[in-house]
Amino acid sequence: DIQMTQSPSSLSASVGDRVTITCRASQTISSHLNWYQQKPGKAPSLLIYAASSLQSGVPSRFSGSGSGTDFTLTISSLQPEDSATYYCQQSYSSPDTFGPGTKVDIK
Amino acid sequence: QVQLQESGPGLVKPSETLSLTCTVSGVSISRYYWSWIRQPPGKGLEWIGYVFYSGKSNFNPSLKSRVTISVDTSKNQFSLKLNSVTAADTAVYYCARELHSRDDLSWFDPWGRGTLVTVSS
Repeated sequence: DIQMTQSPSSLSASVGDRVTITCRASQTISSHLNWYQQKPGKAPSLLIYAASSLQSGVPSRFSGSGSGTDFTLTISSLQPEDSATYYCQQSYSSPDTFGPGTKVDIK
Repeated sequence: QVQLQESGPGLVKPSETLSLTCTVSGVSISRYYWSWIRQPPGKGLEWIGYVFYSGKSNFNPSLKSRVTISVDTSKNQFSLKLNSVTAADTAVYYCARELHSRDDLSWFDPWGRGTLVTVSS
C-alpha cells in the first residue's frame, strides 16, 4: 500500500493568516492526489482533486499544488469557518489511502 | 443534486455480519463507481471498496476476505456486508460516489452523512 503522511498534525493560526499543509506519498503518485475537509461530526467534503483542481463551490482561498510525492494545500487567508481537519488521499494505486489528517484551529 | 444516505443497524454483535445500504438520489447509480469508506471514532479514514453497476468490484486487501459490496439498480442502492466483525470494526461508515476522469484520476464526491456502527455484545 502507498503510505501517506501529513505535516503538521495540527496547527493554530489567526484569521487572515496563510496556512500551508504538506502531504507526502511513500512513492510517486503523479497527480493522483485529493484533499478533503472534515468538520466535527460531519462527513468529509472534497476541496481539491487531481492535486490542483478546485472543486466547484469551494472558495478560491483554497489551492493545491504538487506532483510526484510531495503536495501542498494552501489556505491563502484563513477564515473562522476553515476550522476543520484536512485529509489528503491518493488514488494512484489500489487500495486508495488517506493521510492521517491535519487539524486546523483558529487562534 | 446528488445525495447519498446510509442506513442500517447501529449495533452489531461480535462475530456477526454488519449490513449497510446506501440510497442514492439525484443521479442514476448506473453511471458511476460507488464506494464505502469508514472512520473509527477519533481516527482517520479507511477505504473499504467500490462497486460498479455491472457488479465489477474492488476491495481493500485488509478487508477483502470479509467484504461484499453489491448494487441494486432497480432501487438505486448499493450495499455493504462485512462479516465476522470485531470491536475493531466499530466506526462511522460512509458511502460515496467515486468519480473518474478521462486520464484515470479519481476522487470521492459527494459523501453520505455517515452512520455509526458499534460492535458490542
